[in-house]
Amino acid sequence: GESVGLHLPTLSVQEGDNSIINCAYSNSASDYFIWYKQESGKGPQFIIDIRSNMDKRQGQRVTVLLNKTVKHLSLQIAATQPGDSAVYFCAENTGGQNFVFGPGTRLSVLP
Amino acid sequence: ETGVTQTPRHLVMGMTNKKSLKCEQHLGHNAMYWYKQSAKKPLELMFVYSLEERVENNSVPSRFSPECPNSSHLFLHLHTLQPEDSALYLCASRRGLADEETQYFGPGTRLLVL
Repeated sequence: GESVGLHLPTLSVQEGDNSIINCAYSNSASDYFIWYKQESGKGPQFIIDIRSNMDKRQGQRVTVLLNKTVKHLSLQIAATQPGDSAVYFCAENTGGQNFVFGPGTRLSVLP
Repeated sequence: ETGVTQTPRHLVMGMTNKKSLKCEQHLGHNAMYWYKQSAKKPLELMFVYSLEERVENNSVPSRFSPECPNSSHLFLHLHTLQPEDSALYLCASRRGLADEETQYFGPGTRLLVL
């Protein structure tokens, strides 16, 4: 079946540094990708998305890069802040109702 | 915050109990989802409803019974659960099934089965 995500459970970064969280996907038919942030005690929150006809999209302090050749997705967070500490999930969609989620990466921001 | 609310937020139940989880979305969306989130596992899709019709049942045991009386409300009825069913149950809504749009998640119900 399809699978999304690398088994990389924890990433620690210094406050103010940039963070890069990676995700791999296996379904080459996926055409829509999303990054979610999940803080403790809350549901996943949308951060940014990208469609397969793009290779980069920027938001406020976040950038998503899509490399369809190697089926790789990354989330870059600039000037990481303590409030960025959370679990980050990638998800892929092939155009239907189903989303396939990665296992998640826990980002810890060190003071 | 996201326009999707879930109640209760926490639930403890015995294996012989019957309980229901409730989800309500205030976004005018047509599709609603139930997910199960267990420790160290990716989000698992359970059910999908579109315009109150179930369109996906992802091999979920019959002790979980969904109900969608209208496009704004979604229930998950629970009966004779097992301890391994303890997890965070997340509801999500989406404008439609074919759009390239994200889902909006509720805060979840943390379920503990004793």
